[in-house]
Amino acid sequence: EPEVTQTPSHQVTQMGQEVILRCVPISNHLYFYWYRQILGQKVEFLVSFYNNEISEKSEIFDDQFSVERPDGSNFTLKIRSTKLEDSAMYFCASGAQGPATEAFFGQGTRLTVV
Amino acid sequence: KNQVEQSPQSLIILEGKNCTLQCNYTVSPFSNLRWYKQDTGRGPVSLTIMTFSENTKSNGRYTATLDADTKQSSLHITASQLSDSASYICVVKAAGNKLTFGGGTRVLVKP
Repeated sequence: EPEVTQTPSHQVTQMGQEVILRCVPISNHLYFYWYRQILGQKVEFLVSFYNNEISEKSEIFDDQFSVERPDGSNFTLKIRSTKLEDSAMYFCASGAQGPATEAFFGQGTRLTVV
Repeated sequence: KNQVEQSPQSLIILEGKNCTLQCNYTVSPFSNLRWYKQDTGRGPVSLTIMTFSENTKSNGRYTATLDADTKQSSLHITASQLSDSASYICVVKAAGNKLTFGGGTRVLVKP
């Protein structure tokens, strides 16, 4: 069964460093999303991406964040200068059709900023 | 502000028993409501997705209901199994792309 894959599963980085979280969405999907979940809290929407551009972003997704689909298969989330409060589980999701339909989530990348 | 509230926060049930989880939302305009199962440290996995016109939807031993008038949904688990131990998250989609997540109900099934 096709699935969304994320790498790495766990990343530890020093405060102020840049990190890139990688996702390979399901191959025929066109809609891509990043979510995050701070330990013990709700999952929060970060950004959606369609047709090579951001279609919606939350207030969390500030100038420190960026997304890219560099090669038609990968979908990346970059955090330019990590802060302690960026520590969270980051989930990538993809969907075949519009946002009203099913979104399939990856297993997540646990980011720890020290 | 769009919000999704779930109850109870956690519950323990014996294997083989049934349970019902509740979800109340104040998301507008409503597009659809989803229930996800999330194992610890894993990504959410979809159980059901319901639109405004759907009152009930089943997926195996999981049955979701939706009352769009009162903005309530429930997830009923029948004949629980040990593998049902997980967090169950109610997620509501409004206009646009964003999903609003509830805090989840943590279910523990004991033998």
